[in-house]
Amino acid sequence: NAGVTQTPKFQVLKTGQSMTLQCAQDMNHEYMSWYRQDPGMGLRLIHYSVGAGITDQGEVPNGYNVSRSTTEDFPLRLLSAAPSQTSVYFCASSPDRARSPLHFGNGTRLTVT
Amino acid sequence: AQSVTQPDIHITVSEGASLELRCNYSYGATPYLFWYVQSPGQGLQLLLKYFSGDTLVQGIKGFEAEFKRSQSSFNLRKPSVHWSDAAEYFCAAGGYQKVTFGTGTKLQVIP
Repeated sequence: NAGVTQTPKFQVLKTGQSMTLQCAQDMNHEYMSWYRQDPGMGLRLIHYSVGAGITDQGEVPNGYNVSRSTTEDFPLRLLSAAPSQTSVYFCASSPDRARSPLHFGNGTRLTVT
Repeated sequence: AQSVTQPDIHITVSEGASLELRCNYSYGATPYLFWYVQSPGQGLQLLLKYFSGDTLVQGIKGFEAEFKRSQSSFNLRKPSVHWSDAAEYFCAAGGYQKVTFGTGTKLQVIP
C-alpha cells in the first residue's frame, strides 16, 4: 500500500516557468489537499478537493491551479513560477474531509530562481 | 477566521524529562483536533486526535493530549522524552472542509 505519492521530490525552476506537481493516492480517499510549508509559518492550505470534479481554494491559492479528474490524482500546477513560491509542498488525503486525520506524502522541495 | 496558535517556536528538554507542548485554537465550534510530528525531510505523521468524549487522549509513542474547552487548548504531553522524539510538532484543527495548522514547535532533546 503506497499511500500518498508525490513526484518529483526536488525541482528547480526559473522565474516564469510552469510545472505540475503530481500527487496520487491509492486509499480511495475522497478528500485531497495541497499545503505549502515555509519556515516559521507552518503549513498553509493552497487548494483542496472533496471529490472528483470538485475543487476549492484554501488560504494561499494565488499562482496555483488544481484539477481533480479522478479520485486518485490531484495535481498542482504552477502557472508562472515566482521566487515567492520557493517552498516545500505537501499533498495530503483523508477519508472524511477535515474530520479525519490527513495522510501525507513525503513532499516536493521546489526552488524558484 | 479559524486559527491555531503554538506559542513556543523551539523547546529544549533533557532526555528523560517531561514535555508539554502548547496549542490554542480559535474556532466557531469545537473543532476536530490533531497533533502531528514531522522528522527532517519527511511528511507529517499523526500522533493523536480528539473528536469528542474523554478529554484526555492517548496517542502513539507514549504521547497524550488534553482538551480543555474553557481554555481553547489542546496541549501535548509526554512523561519522559527520548532522544528519538527530537522533531517538529504541529497542532491542527479541522472543521468541515479545511484543516488549519499551527506554526509548529521544534523539539530539541539533549543528553
